[in-house]
Amino acid sequence: GNSVTQMEGPVTLSEEAFLTINCTYTATGYPSLFWYVQYPGEGLQLLLKATKADDKGSNKGFEATYRKETTSFHLEKGSVQVSDSAVYFCALSDGANFGNEKLTFGTGTRLTIIP
Amino acid sequence: KAGVTQTPRYLIKTRGQQVTLSCSPISGHRSVSWYQQTPGQGLQFLFEYFSETQRNKGNFPGRFSGRQFSNSRSEMNVSTLELGDSALYLCASSLKPGGIAETQYFGPGTRLLVL
Repeated sequence: GNSVTQMEGPVTLSEEAFLTINCTYTATGYPSLFWYVQYPGEGLQLLLKATKADDKGSNKGFEATYRKETTSFHLEKGSVQVSDSAVYFCALSDGANFGNEKLTFGTGTRLTIIP
Repeated sequence: KAGVTQTPRYLIKTRGQQVTLSCSPISGHRSVSWYQQTPGQGLQFLFEYFSETQRNKGNFPGRFSGRQFSNSRSEMNVSTLELGDSALYLCASSLKPGGIAETQYFGPGTRLLVL
C-alpha cells in the first residue's frame, strides 16, 4: 500500500535559517505529491504540489522537487520567518489507481521559528 | 469564492451518543472527502463522495458513515461514540475526484471531544 514517511519533529530554528523537512514515499502507481501546512487552530492549506518526476513545486519561498529515483519530496526554504511556524504534512495521491485517489499523509512535522 | 465551511466548529458529546457533522464544499466542487486527525494516528482518510455516491472508503468501523446531497453538501455521522473518536474532523473538496489533476481544499475542521 501507499505510505509517506516524514522526519520526526518538532523542529526549532532561528529566523532566517535554512529549512529542510525530509519526506519519502512508497506508492504502487505514479503518485502526485503534496505539501500541506496547518497553522495553529486552522485546517490544512495546500502549500505546493508536483505531479510527475523532476517537477518542482514552489510557493511562498518553499520548494520541493519530485525525485522518483530516491522516492523523495523534501521541503526546503532558504530563509524561514516566524510566520512559518506551523505543522507541515507531506502527502501523496495515487492518481493512476482510479478509484483510490485519496490522500495519504505523513505524520506531520511541527516547525517553530524563534525570532 | 468562499472556502470550505464546516459546522459546528466545536462539539462536546458523551460516550454512546451520536453526532452529525456538516461540510459545505467550495461552490462548483462536487467531490467531498473526510479525514480524521488525532495526535496518535495523524491524518486518516474516512471516505469520499462524488455526485452523491461514496466512491472510496478508509479503514474505519461501520459506526462512521456519511452521505452527500444533490447540492454537494456532505454530512458524516458517528454513532455510539467512543472516547477514541475525539479528534479534529476535516472535510476537503475538489472539483472532481482524481489525485493527479485535482487539488483538495480543506475546511477548518470540527473538533469533537467525547467525554
